[in-house]
Amino acid sequence: TQLLEQSPQFLSIQEGENLTVYCNSSSVFSSLQWYRQEPGEGPVLLVTVVTGGEVKKLKRLTFQFGDARKDSSLHITAAQPGDTGLYLCAGAPGWSNSGYALNFGKGTSLLVTP
Amino acid sequence: IAGITQAPTSQILAAGRRMTLRCTQDMRHNAMYWYRQDLGLGLRLIHYSNTAGTTGKGEVPDGYSVSRANTDDFPLTLASAVPSQTSVYFCASIEKTERSYEQYFGPGTRLTVT
Repeated sequence: TQLLEQSPQFLSIQEGENLTVYCNSSSVFSSLQWYRQEPGEGPVLLVTVVTGGEVKKLKRLTFQFGDARKDSSLHITAAQPGDTGLYLCAGAPGWSNSGYALNFGKGTSLLVTP
Repeated sequence: IAGITQAPTSQILAAGRRMTLRCTQDMRHNAMYWYRQDLGLGLRLIHYSNTAGTTGKGEVPDGYSVSRANTDDFPLTLASAVPSQTSVYFCASIEKTERSYEQYFGPGTRLTVT
């Protein structure tokens, strides 16, 4: 299993602040995905990045895939209480014995207070 | 479009009892997965199925079994539940896209084994 380390594990900030979440691995992935999970629900896909150095923006969220395709970051500008949730990164190693199963990080729990 | 449905939503189960968690998808995805999510441990793969009629073991398969009689259904069975199987269980499927493959999750089943 290729490990994905996420940092920080927990983050509590006030509305309007900026933040960055990191996802690091020693392995190369064919693509990397970010999910957000709200309490009592399943993870929901936010974005997929495929090319090394790729940057994708989703409103106030900016996702970047590292040049070597081993790491990724999620930057939130002017966080809002609605951004509260668990953010998970997941690497796609390509076809393996378990098919296309993704490798998940343990997540970053974000709390944005008004 | 329902996506992935899971039943029951939650269950309290006595140790030693048999239990089947149901999962149905209407997206006609070939690959399906069962994960358990525990605090501090993240999402861990229990079993997977790359296509109807085939199944495989994930990272934590002991105590669980699955079957895949058709494309839509992927039930997970606990033959004799133990307290360590208390967890939130997520069923997921994968869609192969042009650039990558993306995972879709059900809403989860919260299981407590007493």
